[in-house]
Amino acid sequence: EVVLTQSPATLSVSPGERVTLSCRASQSLNSNLAWYQQKPGQAPRPLIYDASTRATGTPPRFSGSGSGTEFTLTVSSLQSEDFAVYFCQQNNTWPWTFGQGTKVEIK
Amino acid sequence: EVQLVESGGGLVQPGGSLRLSCAASGFTLSSSWIHWVRQTPGKGLVWVSHISADGNSATYADSVKGRFTISRDNVKNVVYLQMNSLRAEDTALYYCARPHRGLSNSGWFDYWGQGTLVTVSS
Repeated sequence: EVVLTQSPATLSVSPGERVTLSCRASQSLNSNLAWYQQKPGQAPRPLIYDASTRATGTPPRFSGSGSGTEFTLTVSSLQSEDFAVYFCQQNNTWPWTFGQGTKVEIK
Repeated sequence: EVQLVESGGGLVQPGGSLRLSCAASGFTLSSSWIHWVRQTPGKGLVWVSHISADGNSATYADSVKGRFTISRDNVKNVVYLQMNSLRAEDTALYYCARPHRGLSNSGWFDYWGQGTLVTVSS
């Protein structure tokens, strides 16, 4: 199965900073990658699909890029409500798999 | 408003059974594929199973094949996950999730329930 490796595991940042999260795949995914945000006690919320398309309700400060095996989620200016865990998920090859997540915490 | 609500979780002994339910509202469940995804602190999010809109097609992760069965009742607007021969490693928070617009060829989930906790322990 496809292994997704997210880095870093934890990121300590200050509000207003630009944040870049990485998701690397063990084989090519074309552009079949989604990103989710999860806050404590909540279900994952979709942010990005098809590597770079914002889901309904995703603020424009979130952007996704990449294709093949290297993908990036960028938050242009981190807001207080953005402190959460972020997961990537591939839907190129069955079974669909998720990365282990990157926790974005307050510095 | 689209909502998915899971129920049926609880504490069960190894080898036991549980049936999870996923109740849907705010959209036409009978037109939607539905997936189950589980989450643990150690293994993170893991896809478990999915079922087609008409219930005629189902797929399972290798780790649950032969032990779990997904089904649905489109009259009652509910999807089920029957879990038999439960193991400690099945302990997780179980989510039901809808692929985007409920479509079979959509690879990401636009709605998730809040999850139901399954604990397998003696």
